[in-house]
Amino acid sequence: QVQLVQSGTEVKKPGASVKVSCKASGYSVTSYYIHWVRQAPGQGLEWMGIINPSGGSTRSIQKFQGRVTITRDMSTSTVYMELSSLRSEDTAVYYCAKGDPIDYGLDVWGQGTTVTVSS
Amino acid sequence: QSALTQPRSVSGSPGQSVTISCTGTSSDVGGYNYVSWYQHHPGKAPKLMISDVSKRPSGVPDRFSGSKSGNTASLTISGLQTEDEADYYCCSYAGPDVVFGGGTKLTVL
Repeated sequence: QVQLVQSGTEVKKPGASVKVSCKASGYSVTSYYIHWVRQAPGQGLEWMGIINPSGGSTRSIQKFQGRVTITRDMSTSTVYMELSSLRSEDTAVYYCAKGDPIDYGLDVWGQGTTVTVSS
Repeated sequence: QSALTQPRSVSGSPGQSVTISCTGTSSDVGGYNYVSWYQHHPGKAPKLMISDVSKRPSGVPDRFSGSKSGNTASLTISGLQTEDEADYYCCSYAGPDVVFGGGTKLTVL
């Protein structure tokens, strides 16, 4: 079946980097975008960025530009999101989601990866 | 890009209908027919309920419907059931980015 499986819980110190993986299966990975969305404790969903696995083009919102890097490894159908210069406000659950390239509906989500930033 | 505006909470009794609004601008909701809605139960991954303003994915009950007028989109849930109690988020393409609403907590009394 179509699924996205993310890497496990991370605990990082301020200033460090974290790299979350998202392994896709059950569909043509090159035909759909992968989005990254996060939810901080007590907050709503926040869209972070997107990758087109086919060509590798990416985009992230201005808030994260310079700190977030989204990449993919087509040999393993895995997308990665790396966030650097971590601060306490980056503590959140990070989700990857499969997105329709036309209507941008996010129809399959990963299980979420909890990232805690604490000294 | 600012978050779309949703009411913080709505409530209804089983069997009733509720509508959740989502207000944006001509740069997002009003500019594209790419509005989607997600149901989010705490501790679980969000679930797509509506895409393309009003399209229901396979498996989503027809009690859920979406619409849009100008810069405001709406999600209507009819025949409320206890399992509908969750957080609901609207989402819009905002070329070239994507923006979510702040979320609405639905309580089924």
